[in-house]
Amino acid sequence: EVQLVESGGGLVQPGRSLKLSCAASGFTFSNYYMAWVRQAPKKGLEWVATISTSGSRTYYPDSVKGRFTISRDNAKSSLYLQMNSLKSEDTATYYCARPLDYGSYEGWFAYWGQGTLVTVSS
Amino acid sequence: DIVLTQSPVLAVSLGQRATISCRASQSVSISSINLMHWYQQKPGQQPKLLIYRASNLASGIPARFSGSGSGTDFTLTIDPVQADDIAAYYCQQSRESPNTFGAGTKLELK
Repeated sequence: EVQLVESGGGLVQPGRSLKLSCAASGFTFSNYYMAWVRQAPKKGLEWVATISTSGSRTYYPDSVKGRFTISRDNAKSSLYLQMNSLKSEDTATYYCARPLDYGSYEGWFAYWGQGTLVTVSS
Repeated sequence: DIVLTQSPVLAVSLGQRATISCRASQSVSISSINLMHWYQQKPGQQPKLLIYRASNLASGIPARFSGSGSGTDFTLTIDPVQADDIAAYYCQQSRESPNTFGAGTKLELK
């Protein structure tokens, strides 16, 4: 069974940093692109970052480019999101997500974690 | 960016058909491949994939869910609606980065 478990969320002041983690199990982690998607309170979904199987390629929307960094450790089956220069508008539940098929950037997600809440406030 | 437009709310009676629409600001199809996907989200839960590439039912999803459409206009149909289907529904396109989502349609009981 595919399982994605996020951790690392919490309350952080504007301008500070936070690192999220996602522990994956139930599949061969190194075979899949992985992504982060966020959802502000009572709002819709927003794709945040995607990383290739080896970690050599990363993709971001303009809203987080230069501030967020996605990375992975295939030996630990873990995905990370380093968030710097946080703003109030980054307040959201952050989901770790996996596509259906391995080896390619699909851009849509068959598996989602339960999410971790990040609150940016002074 | 490709903007996906959904109606905010749809009221439906149990046992009836629900038709949820999603219109894209530009085509999300490449040849015969329609890069539109649908998710269900219940309060306090993560999104669940229902339909991928416009019309393919995801694993474990009941056959009362179906998807159709091409180009810029897509539809998610639930027939018949059951009480467990009361949730928010989001469309998402993967034709172009950033892979945007619609704002969601909240399915409510009439």
